[in-house]
Amino acid sequence: DAGITQSPRHKVTETGTPVTLRCHQTENHRYMYWYRQDPGHGLRLIHYSYGVKDTDKGEVSDGYSVSRSKTEDFLLTLESATSSQTSVYFCAISEIFSTEAFFGQGTRLTVV
Amino acid sequence: AQSVAQPEDQVNVAEGNPLTVKCTYSVSGNPYLFWYVQYPNRGLQFLLKYITGDNLVKGSYGFEAEFNKSQTSFHLKKPSALVSDSALYFCAVRDANQAGTALIFGKGTTLSVSS
Repeated sequence: DAGITQSPRHKVTETGTPVTLRCHQTENHRYMYWYRQDPGHGLRLIHYSYGVKDTDKGEVSDGYSVSRSKTEDFLLTLESATSSQTSVYFCAISEIFSTEAFFGQGTRLTVV
Repeated sequence: AQSVAQPEDQVNVAEGNPLTVKCTYSVSGNPYLFWYVQYPNRGLQFLLKYITGDNLVKGSYGFEAEFNKSQTSFHLKKPSALVSDSALYFCAVRDANQAGTALIFGKGTTLSVSS
C-alpha cells in the first residue's frame, strides 16, 4: 500500500458531537481526497485538496469541512455528527491529476 | 459534469470463463479512466488506467480494459476468471480538460466467480 495512514480506523460517536478524521501521507503527493462509501452509492467525493490551504467541495460536502495546513495531512471534520454520516470514509492521494489515486484503509464511523 | 455508470450491480461467472464488467462514462472533455478493485474490509486497489494511446489497456492480475470513445465505454475484461477475482469493482473517470478535478466513481459491480 502507498504511504497513507488514516486515523482512527474505527470510531463510534454520539449525534451532535464533533468528529475529526485524519489522513497522513508520506508520498509528498499534491492531491488529497476524502470519499465516503455507502451501499448502493459507491464512493462519493466529499472534499479534495490540490495543495496546502487549497481545497474544494465534492458532491456530498454538506456537514463536512476540511483543512490542509501541510502537505502530508488532510483533516476531515464533522462539525455536528448525524446518523446519516455513518459510513466508511476513505482518504486518497494522487501526484498529479492525470495519475491514479491511492487509497488508505478506511475509517468506519458510526454515529449513534 | 462528469459521471460514471456501471449498469450491473452483480456479475456472476464460472471459474475459467471470460468475464466482463461494464462501465460507461460522461465527461465534457477527454476522459482519464480507471478501474479499481476492493476486497472485503480493505481499501481500493488500482488495477489499470487509460490516459491516451492504445485503446486496449492491460493491468494487474491479468485484467484488461478497452476504451471505446464512440460508445463512451471502458469495459473491464479477463479471459479466464479465478475464484480469487471475486470482489467489488469500481470504474472511475476524470475530465482531462479540467485541471484539478477529482476522480468520480461509479456505484460498483460485485463480481462473483464460482468454482
